Amino acid sequence: NAGVTQTPKFQVLKTGQSMTLQCAQDMNHNSMYWYRQDPGMGLRLIYYSASEGTTDKGEVPNGYNVSRLNKREFSLRLESAAPSQTSVYFCASSVCTGEGYCGNQPQHFGDGTRLSIL
Amino acid sequence: AQTVTQSQPEMSVQEAETVTLSCTYDTSESDYYLFWYKQPPSRQMILVIRQEAYKQQNATENRFSVNFQKAAKSFSLKISDSQLGDAAMYFCAYRSADSNYQLIWGAGTKLIIKP
Repeated sequence: NAGVTQTPKFQVLKTGQSMTLQCAQDMNHNSMYWYRQDPGMGLRLIYYSASEGTTDKGEVPNGYNVSRLNKREFSLRLESAAPSQTSVYFCASSVCTGEGYCGNQPQHFGDGTRLSIL
Repeated sequence: AQTVTQSQPEMSVQEAETVTLSCTYDTSESDYYLFWYKQPPSRQMILVIRQEAYKQQNATENRFSVNFQKAAKSFSLKISDSQLGDAAMYFCAYRSADSNYQLIWGAGTKLIIKP
């Protein structure tokens, strides 16, 4: 009963390094999301994937790239990490139709990745 | 653009008592969905309760219920018989029926349960 699995759980990077955060869901959801959570703020959407093969920018996409590898997996890449990207990153998934209708379906979240950039 | 405001950064309640967390939102839309999520220290976001704007009846889930006031754009969460396990950050979120992907989040309320 894994749900949404994120790896790694913690990571420390130096400025300028790159890394990829991995996310996989086993609920057969077609929509997936990447958020960041900063102190005193709600979650902010970085990128989302409405369905396999599509990705779109969210509220704060600068400095990030994503790949929807298949229906299960959605990765987030930092090409050149900056201290401003220090945050907790959450992956989520939900059930939506192919036309993008989610109705009252909630998003299901992973445990998050705490990323520190020095 | 829609916004969600949680005006209480922190709330505390005695175990077994009732507490209400407030949430207001700003929108010009008539069709939308509202959610309350709980984030315990383990960090995972867990759905507590959801409400469809077209439903007049307030949603309930065991000890959790909402007071949805559409005209006032208010969506408060009431927790009855508070338990130590209820201690967490609580986030209110809004999703437009037209913009089906993006959830708009409040900044959260930290709930402390006093034994």
